[in-house]
Amino acid sequence: AQSVSQHNHHVILSEAASLELGCNYSYGGTVNLFWYVQYPGQHLQLLLKYFSGDPLVKGIKGFEAEFIKSKFSFNLRKPSVQWSDTAEYFCAVEGAQKLVFGQGTRLTINP
Amino acid sequence: EAGVTQFPSHSVIEKGQTVTLRCDPISGHDNLYWYRRVMGKEIKFLLHFVKESKQDESGMPNNRFLAERTGGTYSTLKVQPAELEDSGVYFCASSQGNGNSPLHFGNGTRLTVT
Repeated sequence: AQSVSQHNHHVILSEAASLELGCNYSYGGTVNLFWYVQYPGQHLQLLLKYFSGDPLVKGIKGFEAEFIKSKFSFNLRKPSVQWSDTAEYFCAVEGAQKLVFGQGTRLTINP
Repeated sequence: EAGVTQFPSHSVIEKGQTVTLRCDPISGHDNLYWYRRVMGKEIKFLLHFVKESKQDESGMPNNRFLAERTGGTYSTLKVQPAELEDSGVYFCASSQGNGNSPLHFGNGTRLTVT
């Protein structure tokens, strides 16, 4: 069965700090990978996705993620966070036309 | 374009009562999904409609949950009778029929069963 593990439950950073959120997945076939974000009071939005090709994918708002097949990982990064990045972040893998999500990582950015 | 709309945004009911959640997908989206997040846990798949047909309902917890999508437009998810463990946030999402089209999520319905 597919599963997704996000290493950090809650991350607290100061503005301008660098960010890396870990995500590991378990799935036997070809994977499509996603990061979603939910800002306070808003709906889940797609940050970025990986289907194939360049394993380093760039998303909105300066986020990027790297797919490392040998490590079954798809970590999310941002070189310099802003207060507006405060949100909950979800890693997901798609298989059989449905998404399997990780537990989510709550990110708090202190000004 | 209008996004995915869910109603109500919050619902508080007593154990044993019935609740019906509604989702209006983006117009023209054939795929409609229901997901649920129980507090502190991951978002879990419930079921997937393609137009009015249930493509996959493997995530439905038990027969107290009934989802419909009459006419392939909006969908309802009914819980009858509700139990305490049904509390959580129910998300609806939709996408176009072609492959690799992105999922658009609604704001979710927060259900509290007391």
